[in-house]
Amino acid sequence: GESVGLHLPTLSVQEGDNSIINCAYSNSASDYFIWYKQESGKGPQFIIDIRSNMDKRQGQRVTVLLNKTVKHLSLQIAATQPGDSAVYFCAENRASGSRLTFGEGTQLTVNP
Amino acid sequence: NAGVMQNPRHLVRRRGQEARLRCSPMKGHSHVYWYRQLPEEGLKFMVYLQKENIIDESGMPKERFSAEFPKEGPSILRIQQVVRGDSAAYFCASSPPQGAGGYTFGSGTRLTVV
Repeated sequence: GESVGLHLPTLSVQEGDNSIINCAYSNSASDYFIWYKQESGKGPQFIIDIRSNMDKRQGQRVTVLLNKTVKHLSLQIAATQPGDSAVYFCAENRASGSRLTFGEGTQLTVNP
Repeated sequence: NAGVMQNPRHLVRRRGQEARLRCSPMKGHSHVYWYRQLPEEGLKFMVYLQKENIIDESGMPKERFSAEFPKEGPSILRIQQVVRGDSAAYFCASSPPQGAGGYTFGSGTRLTVV
């Protein structure tokens, strides 16, 4: 399943499927990007980050892709599990140590 | 190695009272950020502080809100004369010195104004 950001704030997938969550950013000067996972009643939890000198970075079951040309960021989750159900936020900043600007978030629901 | 510690976890205040929210950054982190999150919304930046300095307060409301990060002790977000619209989750994040990345969030304080 795949989200299209603000126009589709929810994404529902079957357990075991791959999920793709998208995020558009507006500032071409942004040079650091992070994906966070937020479960109900909890704070944002770091998933993966990427700097602007890269276009792809992989973690455990997650991959972040960065397309600077169109200012687009995506998070791919392989073999999605029920425990992945949460709201996912992308965040950007313009210089290391400055504030993060968050996107509006995508609610991922994994159906067993 | 404790993470970012926020307290209290839940805070109830009557309209007109003051709310004080505390944040202790991770060990070795010298930068603190405060964010506000309304239900079903994203996190909105409020203020960025270093020890004894406010670096960026462009997201802070002009009245009733203030923040500090003293030389000793936690960072404090203070809301005076609270109104119902202040009800939200307030999150604190910390990061190492500039250039090292690595923002870590606390579990938040959920403020309810009745």
